[in-house]
Amino acid sequence: NAGVMQNPRHLVRRRGQEARLRCSPMKGHSHVYWYRQLPEEGLKFMVYLQKENIIDESGMPKERFSAEFPKEGPSILRIQQVVRGDSAAYFCASSPPREQGADDTQYFGPGTRLTVL
Amino acid sequence: RKEVEQDPGPFNVPEGATVAFNCTYSNSASQSFFWYRQDCRKEPKLLMSVYSSGNEDGRFTAQLNRASQYISLLIRDSKLSDSATYLCVVKRNMLTFGGGTRLMVKP
Repeated sequence: NAGVMQNPRHLVRRRGQEARLRCSPMKGHSHVYWYRQLPEEGLKFMVYLQKENIIDESGMPKERFSAEFPKEGPSILRIQQVVRGDSAAYFCASSPPREQGADDTQYFGPGTRLTVL
Repeated sequence: RKEVEQDPGPFNVPEGATVAFNCTYSNSASQSFFWYRQDCRKEPKLLMSVYSSGNEDGRFTAQLNRASQYISLLIRDSKLSDSATYLCVVKRNMLTFGGGTRLMVKP
């Protein structure tokens, strides 16, 4: 059973370009979470999605950032018109459906390291 | 004030030492508590959940005090491979991470 997959692992963009980060959850997991870790800081929650639904986006910056988790395919975190301050590690986590008594542990992917030049 | 506070360290200890990490959280509505481990430039990995009754996993013991909103992690007989950053995590709806405590175990 493959773990959470993220790609690319490293992404370099120039200021003003778009960044697309992809996350494939573990098999059987229907919940996806995105976190950002700035250099020398802790992880900060960004957004929580289920298939075709954004459940909680309270941690997302108001502009330039969007996320989706389509019916088919990976979850995508999209950053438009990137700026240097967007340089960070972006981690995706997934968890299984929230049935009564089920394990809701979040399992993390290896992250995408975004560098904005 | 941060929702989850940890001493950033670093804690430099010799192999075999016992080391304790502490963490406080501000939101009394927090429901679940965890310690994660993060190696340099890697993803966080769940070390253990934390319960009020205290729980132990090998050399690792975690404790939760809900009244004081305080969480601890004790590592006995430190190994070189324990060197990492230890993240205190609380969950209400989402996971909220502390800034981490860095541990360096020296030969």
